[in-house]
Amino acid sequence: GESVGLHLPTLSVQEGDNSIINCAYSNSASDYFIWYKQESGKGPQFIIDIRSNMDKRQGQRVTVLLNKTVKHLSLQIAATQPGDSAVYFCAENTGNQFYFGTGTSLTVIP
Amino acid sequence: DTEVTQTPKHLVMGMTNKKSLKCEQHMGHRAMYWYKQKAKKPPELMFVYSYEKLSINESVPSRFSPECPNSSLLNLHLHALQPEDSALYLCASSQVRGFTEAFFGQGTRLTVV
Repeated sequence: GESVGLHLPTLSVQEGDNSIINCAYSNSASDYFIWYKQESGKGPQFIIDIRSNMDKRQGQRVTVLLNKTVKHLSLQIAATQPGDSAVYFCAENTGNQFYFGTGTSLTVIP
Repeated sequence: DTEVTQTPKHLVMGMTNKKSLKCEQHMGHRAMYWYKQKAKKPPELMFVYSYEKLSINESVPSRFSPECPNSSLLNLHLHALQPEDSALYLCASSQVRGFTEAFFGQGTRLTVV
């Protein structure tokens, strides 16, 4: 399943499928980007980050892609699990200021 | 210790009350942040402290007054709030320099009645 972040804030996927969450950022001077996961009633939790001199970074079951030309980030979650259900935010950092994108609510269907 | 601790977890206050939110971290981070988050919305940056000095105020109304008494503590003093100020208030901290993430607390759920 795939979302376009700002325009489709909800995404439902079957357990075991891959998820793609998209985010458009606004500031071309931003040099560092983070994906956060926020579960209900909790603060945002770090998932993965990427610097502006990279276009891809992989973690455990997650991959972040950065396209600076169109100011776009994506988060790919492999083999999505029920515990992945949450709201996902991208955040851009410019000189110690972290600004959040709209967010996408991911629901994993067992 | 990679924890940011916020107290209280929940707060209900009247529009004439004065209250304070507290945030503490012991990671040696010298940048600390207050964010406001409404339901189904992203966190909105309110204030940034760098080396205990206020460096960013995102045009926040004066009824919100931040304070950073030392490098581990961050307070948000509240006075004469409005019902629309009800939200989740998140504190975060990070290193001042370098490509490192901000660590978030669990937030204070504030209700203004």
